[in-house]
Amino acid sequence: EVQLVESGGGLVQPGGSLRLSCVASGFTFSSYWMSWVRQAPGKGLEWVANIKQDGSEKYYVDSVKGRFIISRDNAKNSLYLQMNSLRAEDTAVYFCARDIIAVAVSWFDPWGQGTLVTVSS
Amino acid sequence: DIQMTQSPSSLSASVGDRVTITCRASQSISSYLNWYQQKPGKAPKLLIYAASSLQSGVPSRFSGSGSGTDFTLTISSLQPEDFATYYCQQSYSTLVTFGPGTKVDIK
Repeated sequence: EVQLVESGGGLVQPGGSLRLSCVASGFTFSSYWMSWVRQAPGKGLEWVANIKQDGSEKYYVDSVKGRFIISRDNAKNSLYLQMNSLRAEDTAVYFCARDIIAVAVSWFDPWGQGTLVTVSS
Repeated sequence: DIQMTQSPSSLSASVGDRVTITCRASQSISSYLNWYQQKPGKAPKLLIYAASSLQSGVPSRFSGSGSGTDFTLTISSLQPEDFATYYCQQSYSTLVTFGPGTKVDIK
């Protein structure tokens, strides 16, 4: 069964840091782009970042550029999101998702269950 | 960035109703459009990819159409398990964006 399991969420003060992890199973992790997508409480979905199979390309939404770093360890089937200089507006459930790319079209499937990050003093 | 809009933002419908949700992109995105279903407290689930391709395991009452800037998700006969929020998402740009969502609830 293809599965993604996130961890690392929690309560952090503004300006603090947190590292999220996502462990993949049931597929060849090193063959896929991977993404982080977040959802603020009661709000819609916002793509945060993605990373190429070998980590050589990374893209970020403007609001997290310079603060968040996406990375991966293919030997551990793991995806990470290092979040620094956290702000209240970063409060959200963070999902990891596998990017499926076929003839240039791409979509997210599957998604993990999400991990909640709360930024508050 | 490519902006995505959805209409309506919410709708009330009955079991058996035909439901149509519209998604519009701020520029042409060809067929680079996906649809997801999300239930409260759960992760989104892929329904339709590349505008009209049904994801494996998704009931055939779901269908997608459109290209360019205007897209439609149709549920031919609404079932109790279909009450959820639906999001469109474009993958034309490297910077992926989602629509704001359409909540479908019970009439």
